[in-house]
Order: sequence, then C-alpha cells, then structure tokens
Amino acid sequence: GGIITQTPKFLIGQEGQKLTLKCQQNFNHDTMYWYRQDSGKGLRLIYYSITENDLQKGDLSEGYDASREKKSSFSLTVTSAQKNEMAVFLCASSIRGSNERLFFGHGTKLSVL
Amino acid sequence: GQQVQQSPASLVLQEGENAELQCNFSSTATQLQWFYQSPGGSLVSLLSNPSGTKHTGRLTSTTVTKERRSSLHISSSQTTDSGTYLCAIHQGGRALIFGTGTTVSVSP
Repeated sequence: GGIITQTPKFLIGQEGQKLTLKCQQNFNHDTMYWYRQDSGKGLRLIYYSITENDLQKGDLSEGYDASREKKSSFSLTVTSAQKNEMAVFLCASSIRGSNERLFFGHGTKLSVL
Repeated sequence: GQQVQQSPASLVLQEGENAELQCNFSSTATQLQWFYQSPGGSLVSLLSNPSGTKHTGRLTSTTVTKERRSSLHISSSQTTDSGTYLCAIHQGGRALIFGTGTTVSVSP
C-alpha cells in the first residue's frame, strides 16, 4: 500500500503572509488534487494536476498557486493569507482520473492570526 | 446552487440502530463515491457506486442514476461509525464535486 503525507500538519500564519503546503504520495499515481474544507461547506477544489508539470484550476483557485515539479509531489501556496482565515487543506491522489478511487492525506490545518 | 446535496445534515443514533443517508445531485454523474471522515482524520473512500446497489460490510449504497440520487445505508450502527459521511460525484473531465456531508454520532 501507499501513503499520502502532508506537511505541515498545522500551519499558523500572519495576515498577508505567503504560505506553502506540501504533499507527497508514493502510490505512483498520475493525478493529484488540493481541496479546501471549511466547516459546514464540504470540500472545494483548488487545483489539480494530471501529470508532472500540469496544473488545472478548480473553482477556488484565486488566491492560490500550485506546483507539480515531480510526479510524487504537489505543493500549494497561499499567496496572501487572509486575517482570521481557518480551514483544512486536503491533498489527494488517484491513479488517473477522479472517476477512480481517491486517496487522501490527513490534511493541513491553517490558522491565520 | 449546490450541485451535491446531502441529508440529513446530522444524525444521532443509538448503537445497533440502522441509518439511511441521502445524496441528491443536480447534474448527470458519471461516477459517485461515498467517503468517510473520522473526527479529526483523513477521508477514506467507502464505496464507488455510479449505479445500482453495492455492499461493503455493514454498508449498502443504492444509486438511481436517472433520478440523480444515491443513498448509503448503515446497518447495526457501532460507536466507531461516528464521523462525517461525504458523497461526491464526477461529471466528466474535472475532479470530484463533494456534498457538505452528514455527521453521524453513535452513542453506546
């Protein structure tokens, strides 16, 4: 079996700060995703990538950048953290597309002071 | 509006009771998955069921594609079933679209 590792598990930032979240998978999956989970709002797609160096915007991409420099890793950057922002960022991967089984990491919990 | 709607928003059960969770979606789905999220934990895929009925353990999912609805039945609930159950659909070409989930609490 494989695993998806997200770092850090907790991230505390200051308003306006640029923050980077990392995700690594050892499934050898082609497709990776970043979702944001807010309380009571379910998961919303920020970015996904179908292969190395590919990036596809989701519904929530504004305010974020992403990078897929290697097949095994997918990073997400919050370009300017918003005051009092609090959310969990979830990374996932699938063999090819999302019509196949998705595997998730444990998440990065962001708090902005 | 919300493309994937789940009901009820929350559910309280006594151990041993059965439960039925509903998922309704506004557009044709080529894939439908049910996920479980433990309190404070990551998501785990439970079932992939674009149509018909599928079983895994004490879980049964029934999807009626043309009516754009799916249900997840939990039989003989246990305290370890507590958590949030999420329904997600795939409409072709993009990533999964998630509902807001049903939070289940099972007491002993």
